[in-house]
Amino acid sequence: DTEVTQTPKHLVMGMTNKKSLKCEQHMGHRAMYWYKQKAKKPPELMFVYSYEKLSINESVPSRFSPECPNSSLLNLHLHALQPEDSALYLCASSQVLDRNTEAFFGQGTRLTVV
Amino acid sequence: QKEVEQNSGPLSVPEGAIASLNCTYSDRGSQSFFWYRQYSGKSPELIMFIYSNGDKEDGRFTAQLNKASQYVSLLIRDSQPSDSATYLCAVNPSYDKVIFGPGTSLSVIP
Repeated sequence: DTEVTQTPKHLVMGMTNKKSLKCEQHMGHRAMYWYKQKAKKPPELMFVYSYEKLSINESVPSRFSPECPNSSLLNLHLHALQPEDSALYLCASSQVLDRNTEAFFGQGTRLTVV
Repeated sequence: QKEVEQNSGPLSVPEGAIASLNCTYSDRGSQSFFWYRQYSGKSPELIMFIYSNGDKEDGRFTAQLNKASQYVSLLIRDSQPSDSATYLCAVNPSYDKVIFGPGTSLSVIP
């Protein structure tokens, strides 16, 4: 099983809403990532969890709040987003080894903020 | 200087030709290098990874790495229209970080 599953696939939310994106993998990977991708741009790293601890936060606004409840799950809690936050949000996972960190991506959640 | 750079393209090649995609990176400590393919509206899909200097072949794909020049490339032989996509070069400057280049758009013309 080399699958990373993200839910929901599509999400439309208002600027006052609170919503969560979910990501799950069962490959035994101990690093999990959130990326944001705008149209015609590469994925931009947001957060990295390594062994269920937040290891990287790329200066992401606090309206995005990540959570890693266990080694298989990664959530991204959203609150008071802006229309410019509309994007494809990608979850990825990888092993945490020095020379073997190819990341496997989920299909993404396409988020629209209205 | 950006961490990972690629020619943005678009790169157009005729069907059956060799497509050559290039990537340079700035962090000399990077150990692992990846090529992802992304179709419009879809998530990136890993197609090749390379750790050691030299060439690595997998089917129609060959990745080439030159750490001294901080250069990695992807060759696609016998290009097919289905290869038309954006190709993202990715580098890991540390064990828990994967950084993407801007991507090269490839169009294979039948």
